[in-house]
Amino acid sequence: DMKVTQMPRYLIKRMGENVLLECGQDMSHETMYWYRQDPGLGLQLIYISYDVDSNSEGDIPKGYRVSRKKREHFSLILDSAKTNQTSVYFCASSSVKGWSDYTFGSGTRLLVI
Amino acid sequence: KTQVEQSPQSLVVRQGENCVLQCNYSVTPDNHLRWFKQDTGKGLVSLTVLVDQKDKTSNGRYSATLDKDAKHSTLHITATLLDDTATYICVVGDRGSALGRLHFGAGTQLIVIP
Repeated sequence: DMKVTQMPRYLIKRMGENVLLECGQDMSHETMYWYRQDPGLGLQLIYISYDVDSNSEGDIPKGYRVSRKKREHFSLILDSAKTNQTSVYFCASSSVKGWSDYTFGSGTRLLVI
Repeated sequence: KTQVEQSPQSLVVRQGENCVLQCNYSVTPDNHLRWFKQDTGKGLVSLTVLVDQKDKTSNGRYSATLDKDAKHSTLHITATLLDDTATYICVVGDRGSALGRLHFGAGTQLIVIP
């Protein structure tokens, strides 16, 4: 069953701590994405990765960085987390030109206190 | 500025009734439009994708239309079930962006009551 897996599902961190969100996919998709979803807003693109070590900033990259060392794995890192980074984070993947085959993970709910 | 507007913001219907969700957008150029269903605390599940200038799709009890001239889409849900309770999100794909950017609406929260 093709899917995008996110870990952990829930996470509580204190302000200033480092945070690592992980995402994996088993579809050999080249492109992977990180979004955040806040109440009343649409999903916002944080970073996009076209392949291993080929990453580009999205609309709201400030405060985040990413790592993609294997095609099937894409990590989102928050160095020194802030309370305004409390959100639900979604990872997605798609084939290179597959506009219609985006697949989303179930999300990671992050609370920064 | 929000480029994808969905209405209504929330909607309550009785099981068995039909409902229509609206999506208006200003994204240019517009490559495709997708509707997603998001159950509470879950990820996004694609319901349908519309591509043509004037397009129609059908997926079981879900049917959708797209008019690119009007930059408008509708999602129809027929004979609603309790399990249809969810947030429905409209997404427009921008073929003009090398990033392959998607523009997300904030969603319509549908509640189906017995």
